[in-house]
Amino acid sequence: DSGVTQTPKHLITATGQRVTLRCSPRSGDLSVYWYQQSLDQGLQFLIQYYNGEERAKGNILERFSAQQFPDLHSELNLSSLELGDSALYFCASSVDISDTQYFGPGTRLTVL
Amino acid sequence: QQQVKQSPQSLIVQKGGISIINCAYENTAFDYFPWYQQFPGKGPALLIAIRPDVSEKKEGRFTISFNKSAKQFSLHIMDSQPGDSATYFCAAIQGAQKLVFGQGTRLTINP
Repeated sequence: DSGVTQTPKHLITATGQRVTLRCSPRSGDLSVYWYQQSLDQGLQFLIQYYNGEERAKGNILERFSAQQFPDLHSELNLSSLELGDSALYFCASSVDISDTQYFGPGTRLTVL
Repeated sequence: QQQVKQSPQSLIVQKGGISIINCAYENTAFDYFPWYQQFPGKGPALLIAIRPDVSEKKEGRFTISFNKSAKQFSLHIMDSQPGDSATYFCAAIQGAQKLVFGQGTRLTINP
């Protein structure tokens, strides 16, 4: 158990809908990262937050957004969902922006 | 420049054998190279990591070999066990930049 928690574990929704994925980092970690894992794309970095502020952006679609709250938990919002958004979404956290990242168990999103 | 190339894509090893997974990179500014292990339905878990100032790091049955001049690093799993069957990802990071992952290697250890 990495200490990073993610909810929900599974999410099934329809195209065009909007969902929110939640992540609670390890105690003491200030940095949160979001990754998307699909069969054909491997692990793709989406976005990073550090102590509430966005620090780095990766291959994140404009339909996706995220934020980190004052209590350091983070949410990833996915809107106008498409079939291709079906994937595992992982959150990771680290103490600082260049430290080891610890991954949560992931949220499996299925878009029908 | 930011890519990490990992091979092989899949690997089958007999129990007790040595599993070897290789990674290569181009960006010489990378300064931290972790390996992650992922079981089906679980998140990647840090297995072992190395910095480029050392050529080898060993933790139990797991060893990272690092060749700075060739820009290559590899994971060796000695005495491979069925419980080692998982997907392994190499990764690289430069300072506070994003973690760049290899494409993964699906390792199967036959009993």
